Amino acid sequence: DIQLTQSPSFLSAAVGDRVTITCRASQGISNYLAWYQQNSGKPPKLLIYATSTLESGVPSRFSGSGSGTEFTLTISSLQPEDFATYYCQHLKSYPRNFGPGTKVDIK
Amino acid sequence: QVQVEESGGGVVQPGKSLRLSCAASGFIFSVYGMHWVRQAPGKGLEWVAGTGYDASDKGYADSVKGRFTISRDNSKKTVSLQMNSLRVEDTAVYYCARDGAAAGNDAFDVWGQGTTVTVSS
Repeated sequence: DIQLTQSPSFLSAAVGDRVTITCRASQGISNYLAWYQQNSGKPPKLLIYATSTLESGVPSRFSGSGSGTEFTLTISSLQPEDFATYYCQHLKSYPRNFGPGTKVDIK
Repeated sequence: QVQVEESGGGVVQPGKSLRLSCAASGFIFSVYGMHWVRQAPGKGLEWVAGTGYDASDKGYADSVKGRFTISRDNSKKTVSLQMNSLRVEDTAVYYCARDGAAAGNDAFDVWGQGTTVTVSS
């Protein structure tokens, strides 16, 4: 099975900050990686798929990059509505595991 | 509009069974893979099970293999999760999600609001 790790698990940032979250896969997954945002008590929301393709309606301050085993989600200028938990997920094979999540909190 | 809606959650004793259902609307259900994802209280997301568009391709998390079964009925636009031999650690919010590959979005692009399963004596 392909396992995902995320770093950091928690980060504190201010509005306007540039934020980067890293996701690492236990083996190569090509570009089969997605990122989700989840607010407390809500279902996850798809942000990015295929490593770097922005889902329709997602602000352009979100971007994704990487390939193989290392991937990043970047928020170029953090907005108040971005304080949430972010998960990566691989879509290479079953099981379609998620990373453990990164909580972005207000500094 | 495009949506999925879960039902069937509740409180159940350890060792018992429960069946969750997910009803889809607003899209051509028969061409999309469908999945179940759960989230235990205060924990992260855990992929549980998935099925391809024609049910020929199914997968399960190790934690539920042999106890849970995913099925779909394309004529009724529903996907179900039969959960047997439930354990306290199966307590979670269960989400139904669409695999958007058929739409070119190779990720889970449509999610329901979730249904809560509590396993307790």
